[in-house]
Amino acid sequence: DQQVKQNSPSLSVQEGRISILNCDYTNSMFDYFLWYKKYPAEGPTFLISISSIKDKNEDGRFTVFLNKSAKHLSLHIVPSQPGDSAVYFCAASNRGSSNTGKLIFGQGTTLQVKP
Amino acid sequence: SQTIHQWPATLVQPVGSPLSLECTVEGTSNPNLYWYRQAAGRGLQLLFYSVGIGQISSEVPQNLSASRPQDRQFILSSKKLLLSDSGFYLCASTGEANYGYTFGSGTRLTVV
Repeated sequence: DQQVKQNSPSLSVQEGRISILNCDYTNSMFDYFLWYKKYPAEGPTFLISISSIKDKNEDGRFTVFLNKSAKHLSLHIVPSQPGDSAVYFCAASNRGSSNTGKLIFGQGTTLQVKP
Repeated sequence: SQTIHQWPATLVQPVGSPLSLECTVEGTSNPNLYWYRQAAGRGLQLLFYSVGIGQISSEVPQNLSASRPQDRQFILSSKKLLLSDSGFYLCASTGEANYGYTFGSGTRLTVV
């Protein structure tokens, strides 16, 4: 059962435009959501997160939106840059559960930003 | 800040051979530790996690095992590798303020 889903395997955008990456989840107990960025042959690096008590969190060019009723979150990158080309993973956690800190990841979306 | 060391970076092993991948953590104490695998064209699948020395939880049935002999050491093992064990293996640790993980640089395992 895939609790976190990224239904778009890939996305291509022009440099300077907005990139929107989407993520859906099924477990209503998730209360914390994160986005990670991954380059080939490297480990993922943390990008931005959002708690379920918020609906928006912004950090520079990156903004994450959370729609709890739809169980949907999205990552907006504005403006997109060629260096943003990578695989983006959405992840979710239930911090209210036992202290395992498990993150459940989506399948990832490969973003290509064209110059 | 926290640092995860994983080795080796790449590994090619024949089917039926044993496996041992090691992960060590610096810059934190008593972290939760995790092993993930990214198979070709797929997402990050949680294999094992550990909340303390000697405590291992398995997420999926498989040909692999994990051990945590020390607080900041996490080992992934197999007695006999299968072709389906090929993938990119990542070790991760909690402990940072963002409630997320710090990942190691990963090991690319190819079973031939």
